[in-house]
Amino acid sequence: ETGVTQTPRHLVMGMTNKKSLKCEQHLGHNAMYWYKQSAKKPLELMFVYSLEERVENNSVPSRFSPECPNSSHLFLHLHTLQPEDSALYLCASSQVSGLAYNNEQFFGPGTRLTVL
Amino acid sequence: DAKTTQPTSMDCAEGRAANLPCNHSTISGNEYVYWYRQIHSQGPQYIIHGLKNNETNEMASLIITEDRKSSTLILPHATLRDTAVYYCIVRVPLYSGGGADGLTFGKGTHLIIQP
Repeated sequence: ETGVTQTPRHLVMGMTNKKSLKCEQHLGHNAMYWYKQSAKKPLELMFVYSLEERVENNSVPSRFSPECPNSSHLFLHLHTLQPEDSALYLCASSQVSGLAYNNEQFFGPGTRLTVL
Repeated sequence: DAKTTQPTSMDCAEGRAANLPCNHSTISGNEYVYWYRQIHSQGPQYIIHGLKNNETNEMASLIITEDRKSSTLILPHATLRDTAVYYCIVRVPLYSGGGADGLTFGKGTHLIIQP
């Protein structure tokens, strides 16, 4: 247990569905992240929230919509996805301070998403 | 652009030391070396990090060469549960207030511990 939980652990959805992934961290951290891991590809950073404000969006398609209502919760809203969006979606959190050189990230177990 | 290079895969016998190399020849003076690992179907796990001095914790040791162009992660007594993909990452610390940075993962080294 890393202190970061993700639900659901597995999700199968059609291309016309709307679903949401949820992440919760119990570590008192102030930054949260979404990563995507496709088969046989490195992990890709999708979104970064620091102090509940989005600070980075790596040109992710608009069919992925993040939401960070508070420092402990992070959502990824999904709509009209494509089969190539099938992947493992990982959430992480970290503590960011002025001297952030050792702010290692703690990852959740991921949500395995399959788009039919 | 890859900032680190690692072997694709390595084998190690159970109980022996596993030495995982990483080249980061273009590392800049303010970049740290971080190691994470990812056990199959789990999220990545932080292992250790360092700037220029050798580091040791309960999981592993990190040896960084004097010129900082390469490093080695050492698992002193590998067990079957150490089978995972190991990622070497270099990153610049952020000093702007409230800043956060994501991790840039490469393909890592798939370490297989043999019984």
